Amino acid sequence: AQSVTQLDSHVSVSEGTPVLLRCNYSSSYSPSLFWYVQHPNKGLQLLLKYTSAATLVKGINGFEAEFKKSETSFHLTKPSAHMSDAAEYFCVVTGTYKYIFGTGTRLKVLA
Amino acid sequence: SAVISQKPSRDICQRGTSLTIQCQVDSQVTMMFWYRQQPGQSLTLIATANQGSEATYESGFVIDKFPISRPNLTFSTLTVSNMSPEDSSIYLCSVGTGTGQETQYFGPGTRLLVL
Repeated sequence: AQSVTQLDSHVSVSEGTPVLLRCNYSSSYSPSLFWYVQHPNKGLQLLLKYTSAATLVKGINGFEAEFKKSETSFHLTKPSAHMSDAAEYFCVVTGTYKYIFGTGTRLKVLA
Repeated sequence: SAVISQKPSRDICQRGTSLTIQCQVDSQVTMMFWYRQQPGQSLTLIATANQGSEATYESGFVIDKFPISRPNLTFSTLTVSNMSPEDSSIYLCSVGTGTGQETQYFGPGTRLLVL
């Protein structure tokens, strides 16, 4: 069975400092993995996806994630946080014809 | 990517009533999904809707409470029936190609408050 764990429910960073949002997954086969962002009162926007091509995946707005099979991780990073990055972030692993969502990480960016 | 719209964007309803949420896509898609996001929570899949067949419901969700229609490849509705305050949530639809590993694109959501 597939599962996904987001290790931090809340992360606070100062503007201009790096962002690290952690995600671990479990899957009985090679999964696809995604990161989505949800801004307040908005729908979900796709940040990036891993589908068994390059292990380092670049997404929108300067975000990237690295797929590490040995660590079963897919952490999301950004070199320099911006105030507009404050939002809820969801890590997703594909199950059998459906998504398995993590519990979400709320990112707070301090001025 | 697909462009998805939902109606209504938000509503306030009285307990015991029903609300039908519409999801419209700008292109033909194989699979449409309905999710619930309770306050401060992650997304939970309610059901998968394929055109021309009955929706497939996840554990804990039943057709009598959440009837779904999928009359064509660009449209679906979700009805929340006999509502109670516990149904207050954001309801989101998404679309996918049906391969199981594909990207899903989400609508903006319908914010429902039941009094």
